[in-house]
Amino acid sequence: DQQVKQNSPSLSVQEGRISILNCDYTNSMFDYFLWYKKYPAEGPTFLISISSIKDKNEDGRFTVFLNKSAKHLSLHIVPSQPGDSAVYFCAAYSTSGTYKYIFGTGTRLKVLA
Amino acid sequence: ETGVTQTPRHLVMGMTNKKSLKCEQHLGHNAMYWYKQSAKKPLELMFVYSLEERVENNSVPSRFSPECPNSSHLFLHLHTLQPEDSALYLCASSQTGTYYGYTFGSGTRLTVV
Repeated sequence: DQQVKQNSPSLSVQEGRISILNCDYTNSMFDYFLWYKKYPAEGPTFLISISSIKDKNEDGRFTVFLNKSAKHLSLHIVPSQPGDSAVYFCAAYSTSGTYKYIFGTGTRLKVLA
Repeated sequence: ETGVTQTPRHLVMGMTNKKSLKCEQHLGHNAMYWYKQSAKKPLELMFVYSLEERVENNSVPSRFSPECPNSSHLFLHLHTLQPEDSALYLCASSQTGTYYGYTFGSGTRLTVV
C-alpha cells in the first residue's frame, strides 16, 4: 500500500506558465515533507521542504503548499523554465517513526519552450 | 570529494557474473541507503544501514547482498542477476533525527545481459 502518491505521472507546461505538481499521503503521522528533482542519469537533489506546522514555504520560483486536513501537498513553479524539465518526487517523513523517507512515484515535468 | 559518490557510473554484467557497487559519503552522516529506480516505478528502498547495522531489508532477493564496513562506505554485491534487475541503483545518506533529507549519489546504471 503506497503511503505517498503522485497520481500524475507526467505534466507538460508552456514556458513562463505555472507548473503545479501534486502529492497525496495517507499516513497522518507524517510531519515533514520534501520535494526532490531528478534529471536523467543523476541522483535526486533536494529542492524544497515544509514542516507540518506550516502551510506554505517559498523559495524563489518554488512554493510548496501543505493541506494537512486533505493530506495533500503541492509544488508550484512560477514561472516555469525549460531547465525545470525533470522528474519531481515528493517524500514524507515521520519524526515519531523510522528514519526513512517514503517517496512518491514521481511526476515527469516537461516545460515547453 | 564531497557529498555522496557512487562507482561505477555504468555497469553491464552477464547473468553469471559477480560485481559490486560502491558508495562513499563524505558528509559525516550516520545512515546509508540503497534504492532501486526502474522505469515508470517509484524509488524502491532496498536496504537501510544505521550506524553500520542493517536495520531494514525490504524483501530484496538474496542475489543482492549489501555490506557496510563503516559509516562512510556502503557496497552492494551482485551475483546471478536477472535482466529485470537492470535499473538505476541509487545510494543515499542522511543524519538520522534531522530534517535535512537524503543526499543522493548520481547512481549506477546497471544493465544485466
